[in-house]
Amino acid sequence: GDSVTQMEGPVTLSEEAFLTINCTYTATGYPSLFWYVQYPGEGLQLLLKATKADDKGSNKGFEATYRKETTSFHLEKGSVQVSDSAVYFCALSDLNQAGTALIFGKGTTLSVSS
Amino acid sequence: SAVISQKPSRDICQRGTSLTIQCQVDSQVTMMFWYRQQPGQSLTLIATANQGSEATYESGFVIDKFPISRPNLTFSTLTVSNMSPEDSSIYLCSVAGGRAYNEQFFGPGTRLTVL
Repeated sequence: GDSVTQMEGPVTLSEEAFLTINCTYTATGYPSLFWYVQYPGEGLQLLLKATKADDKGSNKGFEATYRKETTSFHLEKGSVQVSDSAVYFCALSDLNQAGTALIFGKGTTLSVSS
Repeated sequence: SAVISQKPSRDICQRGTSLTIQCQVDSQVTMMFWYRQQPGQSLTLIATANQGSEATYESGFVIDKFPISRPNLTFSTLTVSNMSPEDSSIYLCSVAGGRAYNEQFFGPGTRLTVL
């Protein structure tokens, strides 16, 4: 079945460092890809998404490009802030098929220090 | 986007009791999902609840333990029955379809502790 693999955490960075969180997927169809973020004590929020190959999702300085040839959707940010400390989840879904839910990776905890 | 509320936000329950979690959406949505997030873990889908049909459960989850209702296009409930400490988790409702086309939105979650 479909699956998502994320790099293991935690990731610890200093403020203004470059961030990459790797995400690869396995899917039989053509899924949409997502990054969700969960700040401490809060619910899950959609950070960005891409619905087809070569699409780039971006939000709040974060970017991820849908790479069909490498089945990847790595999350990047050029300069992290302390407020970016959170758990990041990569996910996929084929929402064009009715009743299809999200499949999540295990999550990567990011800790940014000043 | 869709705005989702869940009640209760948190609860502490005794072993052997049941708790019903409510999920309310501010617009009509086609699909509603219930997830479980155990401490320090990722999200696992419990079931999909579409209006007018029985909920579809994922492997490892059964209707007797997690009965679900979906009476209309804006509301659903999940009951955690005969609870044990292993049921301590965050339970999240999410929606897709309608105004939430091609995207899933999540409720704030219900943090359940079973003693």
